[in-house]
Amino acid sequence: AQSVTQPDIHITVSEGASLELRCNYSYGATPYLFWYVQSPGQGLQLLLKYFSGDTLVQGIKGFEAEFKRSQSSFNLRKPSVHWSDAAEYFCAVGAIAAGNKLTFGGGTRVLVKP
Amino acid sequence: GAVVSQHPSWVICKSGTSVKIECRSLDFQATTMFWYRQFPKQSLMLMATSNEGSKATYEQGVEKDKFLINHASLTLSTLTVTSAHPEDSSFYICSALTSGGSYEQYFGPGTRLTVT
Repeated sequence: AQSVTQPDIHITVSEGASLELRCNYSYGATPYLFWYVQSPGQGLQLLLKYFSGDTLVQGIKGFEAEFKRSQSSFNLRKPSVHWSDAAEYFCAVGAIAAGNKLTFGGGTRVLVKP
Repeated sequence: GAVVSQHPSWVICKSGTSVKIECRSLDFQATTMFWYRQFPKQSLMLMATSNEGSKATYEQGVEKDKFLINHASLTLSTLTVTSAHPEDSSFYICSALTSGGSYEQYFGPGTRLTVT
């Protein structure tokens, strides 16, 4: 069975500072990995995804993530956060073998201080 | 491209009534759609997988007779909450799966259901 852990429930970061959100997954084979962002009362927007190939993935809004198989991690990073990055971030794992179902982590709420 | 809409965006209904939520893929065909439920400040939990032209597959613990799912076309899936109760109040989000190798799910904006 798939599982995803986001160890940090809340993160507060100053505007302009760097941000790293942690994600650890459990899956027997190579999964598909995703990061989504959700603003209050809204649906989810895909930031980036990893299927195969280069383990450093570039996404929208200046985000990137690195897949580390040895650590079963897919951490999300942004070098300089903007106030508009305040939102809930979800890591998710999926697999064709699982019918493309996504399993989501618990989410990390990012607060940005001016 | 790859836009998914949901209707209504919010709905209030009385206990005991039924509510239908629509999920549409606007610019692509989706043979598979998913329905999620999200409680306040919590993550998304998959309720069911909806496949066009066949019965939905429900996750363990989800009452299929309470949450009726119909996927009658390649662009429309509906979720009907039957005999709604206050505990069914939640944020319901659908997603549509693209094909052609990308295997991405595009999410609708969600529907806020409040049962009084």
